[in-house]
Amino acid sequence: QSALTQPRSVSGSPGQSVTISCTGTSSDVGGYNYVSWYQQHPGKAPKLMIYDVSKRPSGVPDRFSGSKSGNTASLTISGLQAEDEADYYCCSYAGSYNVVFGGGTKLTVL
Amino acid sequence: QVQLQESGPGLVKPSQTLSLTCTVSGGSISSGGYYWSWIRQHPGKGLEWIGYIYYSGSTYYNPSLKSRVTISVDTSKNQFSLKLSSVTAADTAVYYCARSPLATVVTPEFSFDIWGQGTMVTVSS
Repeated sequence: QSALTQPRSVSGSPGQSVTISCTGTSSDVGGYNYVSWYQQHPGKAPKLMIYDVSKRPSGVPDRFSGSKSGNTASLTISGLQAEDEADYYCCSYAGSYNVVFGGGTKLTVL
Repeated sequence: QVQLQESGPGLVKPSQTLSLTCTVSGGSISSGGYYWSWIRQHPGKGLEWIGYIYYSGSTYYNPSLKSRVTISVDTSKNQFSLKLSSVTAADTAVYYCARSPLATVVTPEFSFDIWGQGTMVTVSS
């Protein structure tokens, strides 16, 4: 199983919206509605932001939203804030109880 | 609230077996309702799922690591453990334990809602 493909970096100004893509195949992202997204600040553990493509855990701001089209999933952050600057990882079920992560995207808030 | 804490040696020699334990507090592994996982992150790199275990002992492993990985559970101590054999420098990473809620009676959500703080393991002679 190969890692999911994410852009290495994205950036945006405070108040703007940014979208991070996560491209897989029909064997993972495209085949199941089990895509999740994680936020990781330097030196910290990842934090679940989105699960099951578009569901938000309790406590995650509604500025964070997820979607999927075909083999590509997306995380959109609206009303960008300074504290959103972090690394973001997507994750997908890949069948047979296997899970695959993306390579990560560094979000810079300008 | 549930918390996870990894523990184990921070330095392992090449060809030896890496052993880590995750202690769960604030909740009982044996109550069911969750799968428990190990995930690692190579320095400056992305995340790699290692495997799952259910309280019953059912395990599922990353195919690329399956031949070297054993995950076990000790419900009496509310812990689960990772053993990775024949380690090389490529196994140097931060190792996290994490929790996945059940999506159905038998399958996890395939997402990870609670993570430990992680523990750095270096493989070096």
